[in-house]
Amino acid sequence: DIVMTQSPDSLAVSLGERATINCKSSQSVLYSSNNNNYLAWYQQKPGQPPKLLISWASTRESGVPDRFSGSGSGTDFTLTISSLQAEDVAVYYCQQHYHVPITFGQGTRLEIK
Amino acid sequence: EVQLLESGGGLVQPGGSLRLSCAASGFTFNSYAMSWVRQAPGKGLEWVSAISGGGGSTYYADSVKGQFIISRDSSKNTLYLQMNSLRAEDTAVYFCAKAGAYSTGAPFDSWGQGTLVTVSS
Repeated sequence: DIVMTQSPDSLAVSLGERATINCKSSQSVLYSSNNNNYLAWYQQKPGQPPKLLISWASTRESGVPDRFSGSGSGTDFTLTISSLQAEDVAVYYCQQHYHVPITFGQGTRLEIK
Repeated sequence: EVQLLESGGGLVQPGGSLRLSCAASGFTFNSYAMSWVRQAPGKGLEWVSAISGGGGSTYYADSVKGQFIISRDSSKNTLYLQMNSLRAEDTAVYFCAKAGAYSTGAPFDSWGQGTLVTVSS
């Protein structure tokens, strides 16, 4: 199984500041035939289902503010929020959908400092 | 607009069974893989099972293999999860999720609100 490890487990950032969440996979999730990284980022607010933010490691979903960006390839990935807003308080998960079993990181709780 | 509505959760005794349903609308149901993902109280996300768009391929987490059965009915646009021999550790909110492609190799672009399953005597 591909193990997804996020860091940090929790993060407190001031409003307007940058937030960075890392995700590392135990094996590459880059498919060389199409050069796609099978890595997604989700945001989950309390009492809500997860919401897809970033697909294929760096493609922002429609309607997602451009302060959210994803980067990385192979085994190391990053979710960046360039200027934290109050509504960004949530738990963020990375997910690999390259191999079954599909696996998620343990989650990173993002709070306002 | 894609809508996924889960039902069938509730309180069940250990060893009991439950069948979850997920009614889908707003997209061509049999063109997309579907998954069940669960979240134990206060915990993270755990993928449980997936099924391809046509239903011909099914996949399970080791933790539920031989215990749960995923299926879909394209005539009813509904996804199912038959859960047998339930244990306390199966207690969770169960979400259905739509993949962005026919096969499982795509992110989950839509999620239901979830249904709570509580296994307790």
